[in-house]
Amino acid sequence: SAVISQKPSRDICQRGTSLTIQCQVDSQVTMMFWYRQQPGQSLTLIATANQGSEATYESGFVIDKFPISRPNLTFSTLTVSNMSPEDSSIYLCSVSSGDTIYFGEGSWLTVV
Amino acid sequence: SQELEQSPQSLIVQEGKNLTINCTSSKTLYGLYWYKQKYGEGLIFLMMLQKGGEEKSHEKITAKLDEKKQQSSLHITASQPSHAGIYLCGADQHGSSNTGKLIFGQGTTLQVKP
Repeated sequence: SAVISQKPSRDICQRGTSLTIQCQVDSQVTMMFWYRQQPGQSLTLIATANQGSEATYESGFVIDKFPISRPNLTFSTLTVSNMSPEDSSIYLCSVSSGDTIYFGEGSWLTVV
Repeated sequence: SQELEQSPQSLIVQEGKNLTINCTSSKTLYGLYWYKQKYGEGLIFLMMLQKGGEEKSHEKITAKLDEKKQQSSLHITASQPSHAGIYLCGADQHGSSNTGKLIFGQGTTLQVKP
């Protein structure tokens, strides 16, 4: 299994600012992912965080808005840039470990 | 592209009652994940099913994947208030490929009345 820690767990952000979310895993993992869960909705994959190379973004998500870093096999960050109220969501980190996919506790951002 | 549909969308049951949540896929499933989420929090892994006809249990929760691998059900026996939350089914977005990238059903919100 994998234990995933995310920071911050919650934050209230001002419109136009940027916030970086951290994801730390207790073991080395090959695949790490970032998801968004908008209010009342299910999860949508933002991107795959690739170690040593640029992240791979899903349709509708771009690097300028959601820059991602993956400096090693246990850590990744997601930045939400130039935030607007539409970015108010829970952002979740996930990792693939063995046959199972685990998720972090989520980072709940509210943009005002 | 693959889509997952969950039913019901919400459920209110009396403590002690049994309940079932269904997850139907538009394509054949090669791996189906069940998660539980409490409001505003992360996803807790419950079970993963891969083989047609497979059934797994954890405490009072049982999940099955049908033989045709296009539907899964999650059954809770003798529900308790601790079972309350949002139940999500997820599957690899690329079907048979084990990419680790999941698509999800819309979720089923369960309330258990004491």
